[in-house]
Amino acid sequence: QQQVKQSPQSLIVQKGGISIINCAYENTAFDYFPWYQQFPGKGPALLIAIRPDVSEKKEGRFTISFNKSAKQFSLHIMDSQPGDSATYFCAAKGYGGSQGNLIFGKGTKLSVKP
Amino acid sequence: GAGVSQTPSNKVTEKGKYVELRCDPISGHTALYWYRQSLGQGPEFLIYFQGTGAADDSGLPNDRFFAVRPEGSVSTLKIQRTERGDSAVYLCASSSDYLANYGYTFGSGTRLTVV
Repeated sequence: QQQVKQSPQSLIVQKGGISIINCAYENTAFDYFPWYQQFPGKGPALLIAIRPDVSEKKEGRFTISFNKSAKQFSLHIMDSQPGDSATYFCAAKGYGGSQGNLIFGKGTKLSVKP
Repeated sequence: GAGVSQTPSNKVTEKGKYVELRCDPISGHTALYWYRQSLGQGPEFLIYFQGTGAADDSGLPNDRFFAVRPEGSVSTLKIQRTERGDSAVYLCASSSDYLANYGYTFGSGTRLTVV
């Protein structure tokens, strides 16, 4: 059972545009929602993360929007650049037991065209 | 070290052989995780260590997979009687605390190919 559903699978954006990636989760015990960026041949790197007590978090050009009632969260990349071309993963984590480890979405391959 | 180090970076083995994959976490990180990433998929949890003990091994697919962390630092993932379906990138991550308030730091992974 997939606990974190991510869309779209791939995304093409023009340089300077806004990239939007969406995720939905099922387990209401999740309380930590990070986004990871992965370049080919590298491991995922933490980009930005949010906890459910806030609805939005912004770090530079990256913003997470969080909707607790809908159990959805999204990543917005403003002024997208070719260097942002990578695969992005949302993830979720609860506390303790089998929920205590990061559960990842299937990823979104972003291509930013110059 | 400065980051999570995984060796080897690539491993090709024949079906049925035994392999060991090594992870050297960030110094001082008590929590260590193993994930497996198949082509075009997100990382899937395998096992989590807090210190020397495996706190959660619910993600190990079967008893051919085993991992140790005898001194609470370096960890080794061991796969017996490898099968072609084991081919994937095996990722190791560490964090300074179980709640991962500062996130996981991943290594670059070991790409395992079983032929």
